[in-house]
Order: sequence, then structure tokens, then C-alpha cells
Amino acid sequence: GAVVSQHPSWVICKSGTSVKIECRSLDFQATTMFWYRQFPKQSLMLMATSNEGSKATYEQGVEKDKFLINHASLTLSTLTVTSAHPEDSSFYICSARKRDRETGELFFGEGSRLTVL
Amino acid sequence: AQSVTQPDIHITVSEGASLELRCNYSYGATPYLFWYVQSPGQGLQLLLKYFSGDTLVQGIKGFEAEFKRSQSSFNLRKPSVHWSDAAEYFCAVGAGGATNKLIFGTGTLLAVQP
Repeated sequence: GAVVSQHPSWVICKSGTSVKIECRSLDFQATTMFWYRQFPKQSLMLMATSNEGSKATYEQGVEKDKFLINHASLTLSTLTVTSAHPEDSSFYICSARKRDRETGELFFGEGSRLTVL
Repeated sequence: AQSVTQPDIHITVSEGASLELRCNYSYGATPYLFWYVQSPGQGLQLLLKYFSGDTLVQGIKGFEAEFKRSQSSFNLRKPSVHWSDAAEYFCAVGAGGATNKLIFGTGTLLAVQP
């Protein structure tokens, strides 16, 4: 299989605090991971592309200092929402591309729901 | 620029009836096309994908999709819908290559009546 796991699946935090979300590829190595954000009843919006051992590439309009992404190993990428505010409340989903698979196929985590009070 | 359009925001079908979800894309080259399904509060599960070759692709759970270049479409079909198919369906187009970015449509929410 190709399993991608996110942790935590849901988190509630106070405004001004930072929250870290982990994305792990459990049974494969992922050279590239992607972070998406999904607002209620809307589609997924790509936030950034994370490559192992290098800096993430952020999409236009995404604040890199607010959404810190680290891809320290071939099986783990983390997204840290710094100084979170209520408008950051959303469903965050990661996806990963297998190191040895054909172009284009991604495997998605189950998502992490962030609620900022 | 790449884009994906899913014209139907919400569709309701009766259990056992056939289903077709529409997807149109805009892309300059041969696209990589995907259909994903999302249950409430869950991540995305890949139903099927098209990279090249046979334009009619078979997926999991009895779904199929047909790539029509002339219409820039990749519609998803199922001959007989089950109640468990109720979910949100997303069509996506990928550029492939090193970036592997996927651009998603706005999704179609499928409701299944008993």
C-alpha cells in the first residue's frame, strides 16, 4: 500500500499559539510532499511544496513565515502554523509522492482539522 | 494556466441509478487527470487516474472515467450507485514532472436517496 498519516487529526488552540501538524509516509519514501488547505465546502488549495532536505516552495499568497514547513526526512514533513488566529482555522491535508513511482500520482493523508479560538 | 471545472456543485441520485459527474479541464499539453473521493472529515482517496493510453480508465469501487481530448473532459461514471458512494468528488489535473502539483476542481457533493 501507500499510506500517508497525519497527526493530530484535529486540534483546538488559543489565538496566538503555534500548532505543528505532522505528515508521515508510513510504508514508502516520499521525495516530495504537498500541503493543502481546505475551507468548509470548498476545494483544496495548494499551499506549498515540500522537498526533502531543501526549503519549501510556497504558492502565491501563502505566508511562509506563518506556515513553516520542514521536510527533514524522506518520511516526514511538518507544517507549523505560527501565531495562529481564528482565520487560520481550516482543514489541512498533506499528500506525498512516492520516490519510485510514476509522475503525477499522489497519496493523501486523512487531514488535520485546526480550530483556533 | 491549468484549471479544472466541475459544473455540478451538488447532485442527488437514487440508489441503483447511474451516475455521471462532469469535469472539464484547461491545460496546454496532455494532462494527468485524476478523480478523488472525500468522505466527511476525511482525506482524499484516489478513484482512478489517466496518464496516457486507453481513454477509458477503470477505477476502484466500480467507477470509470473517459478522457475526451476534443471536449477537454474527464467525466466520472458509475452504472449503479450505492448508498455508500455518498461523498464529495474532486477532479484534478496535474502537470507531472518534478513539481507534481495537482489543481483541484471545486468538487461535486453526491447525495444518494434510498
